[in-house]
Amino acid sequence: NAGVTQTPKFQVLKTGQSMTLQCAQDMNHNSMYWYRQDPGMGLRLIYYSASEGTTDKGEVPNGYNVSRLNKREFSLRLESAAPSQTSVYFCASSEDINSGNTIYFGEGSWLTVV
Amino acid sequence: AQSVTQLGSHVSVSEGALVLLRCNYSSSVPPYLFWYVQYPNQGLQLLLKYTSAATLVKGINGFEAEFKKSETSFHLTKPSAHMSDAAEYFCAVSKYGGATNKLIFGTGTLLAVQP
Repeated sequence: NAGVTQTPKFQVLKTGQSMTLQCAQDMNHNSMYWYRQDPGMGLRLIYYSASEGTTDKGEVPNGYNVSRLNKREFSLRLESAAPSQTSVYFCASSEDINSGNTIYFGEGSWLTVV
Repeated sequence: AQSVTQLGSHVSVSEGALVLLRCNYSSSVPPYLFWYVQYPNQGLQLLLKYTSAATLVKGINGFEAEFKKSETSFHLTKPSAHMSDAAEYFCAVSKYGGATNKLIFGTGTLLAVQP
């Protein structure tokens, strides 16, 4: 019963390096999301994908790119990491994009940029 | 624009005592409201959600929340705290009938349960 799976769980990057966070869901959900969580700020939406083949910006998209590889997978890329991107990243999914659908979260990826 | 405010970033209760975590929302349209729980080093898990079917919503682990439109509140309660309830709790809002499932989260309340 995997649900939403993210890799890697922990990563340390140097400023300017690039990396990709991988996410896969096995619930046959149409919609997927990337959030970041920072102390005292709750979770903020970076990008989302309503369905396979579509992606849209969320609240804090600057410095990130995403790819909806197929229905199961949604990756988040940092092209040139900055210390301000030190955060915990959560991938999530829901059955569809209509509001009110329960959003299911992965266990998080802890990213430190030094 | 929608927002939620969680009053109290840290709440401490004794085991067996009432748990009350406060959430007030702001929304120009009817909202969907959610409570999520996050245990240490884990993702968020849905506790309960309000979707206009009933104002008193029961969730998992004995938690419930009441939607009060007049007070724009959706406070989370549990009659008797257990040690296992120690976690961070997030209130969230989304737009009722919206075409996009965007959740706006509060800043979280860390619940400590004392023996």
